[in-house]
Amino acid sequence: QQQVKQSPQSLIVQKGGISIINCAYENTAFDYFPWYQQFPGKGPALLIAIRPDVSEKKEGRFTISFNKSAKQFSLHIMDSQPGDSATYFCAASMDSGNTPLVFGKGTRLSVIA
Amino acid sequence: GAVVSQHPSWVICKSGTSVKIECRSLDFQATTMFWYRQFPKQSLMLMATSNEGSKATYEQGVEKDKFLINHASLTLSTLTVTSAHPEDSSFYICSARRRDRSYEQYFGPGTRLTVT
Repeated sequence: QQQVKQSPQSLIVQKGGISIINCAYENTAFDYFPWYQQFPGKGPALLIAIRPDVSEKKEGRFTISFNKSAKQFSLHIMDSQPGDSATYFCAASMDSGNTPLVFGKGTRLSVIA
Repeated sequence: GAVVSQHPSWVICKSGTSVKIECRSLDFQATTMFWYRQFPKQSLMLMATSNEGSKATYEQGVEKDKFLINHASLTLSTLTVTSAHPEDSSFYICSARRRDRSYEQYFGPGTRLTVT
């Protein structure tokens, strides 16, 4: 119930391509879904987040798509750049974020030129 | 805005000694701070949740007498690893939830602890 399943575990994308990372959850009480980007040796940085009342949110090259009925959400990185190479974590929380985040296992993205 | 700092960024200590790690929210007040542990190439593992002025809530399997957490103010939380052993070597990361936007959580840069 508490798990967030993230796939793929690793991803290689050509520069300029679209990176897509998927997450699925079981607990319908989750109501806040952020994505974090982490570079080696650094803390995670909040990238973008979505609430279940919208199906899509876009910020620059980053888009979250949210499918409430399927209990899935995904991160799309458009025009992927080598600087986007990092580990990406999806997460979920309940009670408008007042409970601890439940993290996916992470996706290591490599963008190659 | 929403900057969280940690100090020190890395520390090496001898087995049996104690180490204190500080977590500060620099430009916002944090009602809640969280402490995580992260092993190489793995996800973040929540250790405890601390609210200002009250005792921390520890996750199952985390020894509260070994990992002492103090949340002294709305901008400062500390994690003390007592009687550290080599198996405590890890990357410790704190995060803080904004008081004014309670659903957003911001992470510190992490502290690399090595116990020899």
